[in-house]
Amino acid sequence: DQQVKQNSPSLSVQEGRISILNCDYTNSMFDYFLWYKKYPAEGPTFLISISSIKDKNEDGRFTVFLNKSAKHLSLHIVPSQPGDSAVYFCAAYGGYTDKLIFGTGTRLQVFP
Amino acid sequence: EAEVAQSPRYKITEKSQAVAFWCDPISGHATLYWYRQILGQGPELLVQFQDESVVDDSQLPKDRFSAERLKGVDSTLKIQPAELGDSAMYLCASSLESNEQFFGPGTRLTVL
Repeated sequence: DQQVKQNSPSLSVQEGRISILNCDYTNSMFDYFLWYKKYPAEGPTFLISISSIKDKNEDGRFTVFLNKSAKHLSLHIVPSQPGDSAVYFCAAYGGYTDKLIFGTGTRLQVFP
Repeated sequence: EAEVAQSPRYKITEKSQAVAFWCDPISGHATLYWYRQILGQGPELLVQFQDESVVDDSQLPKDRFSAERLKGVDSTLKIQPAELGDSAMYLCASSLESNEQFFGPGTRLTVL
């Protein structure tokens, strides 16, 4: 039972353009969402988060949007840079367990 | 900058052998997590410690896996005996508050 889903396993974007990574969740009790970035052979690095009381959070080139009614969040990277090429994981907290639930990840490739 | 330390970074073992991974969390972080990440999937929680106490080990295969955090600081995860299906990245994370976890570089285990 995959409670956090990232349906696009990969995404390819040209440098300077916008990257949009999507994430869907099924548990309406989730109230805190995070995005992590992972390079090969390294652990995930925290990128940005959003609480369910907000619908947008921005940090530099990264913006996360939350649509609670659709149980959907997205990460926008503008402008995309080659160094952004990595696997991005969406993760969610909340409900009856104090456990961070990860999606399966989306591999972003930014080409020149 | 404080980081989560893990060793070894890579481990190759034969099935039925015993393996052990070590994690040193960020100083002052009371909560420590061990995750397993299989290729193409997101990290999945194996065990969570609050200080020296296990908070959640519901996904830990207890017939072969064990984890300890005797003094509430560093932690060891052991597998005995290792099986082919245990090949994965084992990630350790720590947090001050539950919502933001900081990950170590991981241990890549290959079981032959």
